[in-house]
Amino acid sequence: NAGVTQTPKFQVLKTGQSMTLQCAQDMNHEYMSWYRQDPGMGLRLIHYSVGAGITDQGEVPNGYNVSRSTTEDFPLRLLSAAPSQTSVYFCASSGGGQQGETQYFGPGTRLLVL
Amino acid sequence: AQKITQTQPGMFVQEKEAVTLDCTYDTSDPSYGLFWYKQPSSGEMIFLIYQGSYDQQNATEGRYSLNFQKARKSANLVISASQLGDSAMYFCAMRENRDDKIIFGKGTRLHILP
Repeated sequence: NAGVTQTPKFQVLKTGQSMTLQCAQDMNHEYMSWYRQDPGMGLRLIHYSVGAGITDQGEVPNGYNVSRSTTEDFPLRLLSAAPSQTSVYFCASSGGGQQGETQYFGPGTRLLVL
Repeated sequence: AQKITQTQPGMFVQEKEAVTLDCTYDTSDPSYGLFWYKQPSSGEMIFLIYQGSYDQQNATEGRYSLNFQKARKSANLVISASQLGDSAMYFCAMRENRDDKIIFGKGTRLHILP
């Protein structure tokens, strides 16, 4: 099992550009989520999904879109990148819906918006 | 309102001493779970321990234990016999079962001194 994979590992964007951060898991997990990590702010939840076709907003959803067409994939889209979106982005998955299901994290994507 | 509070931005502890990392939480959901994660300087997120709101006993995993005080809404992580490799960021997180969101605190940076 590859676990949770994220691509790319590092990306530089110019303000206003769009891009998609890819996330995939091969553990047949229902629950997937996206976080951003900034110094001193911990991990903040952007969007999450409890199953294919179902998504919901987290703590900081503005500027980001998600979709969940399959159980395996949960891409995060930046429609018009801003310098404030410079961050490290983590994707995570878990069995979900039950107590005791820990999240498995991907290695992260470092995004720099100029 | 912040739901997970970690009041210690940083801690310095002598090797082999026990360490307590504080975490308080706020929820009205009677069913929830509490997690601790470790993030070393390499950046990956490592699951340490889990406590369910209905668990009668405090969770333990090797040198890690969770001091769960439900009435106080606290879930402190205790690391016994600290090691140099324990130097890392530590995050407390909570999932409210009504919406499956998993929210993180801002973290505590632990430094173990030789």
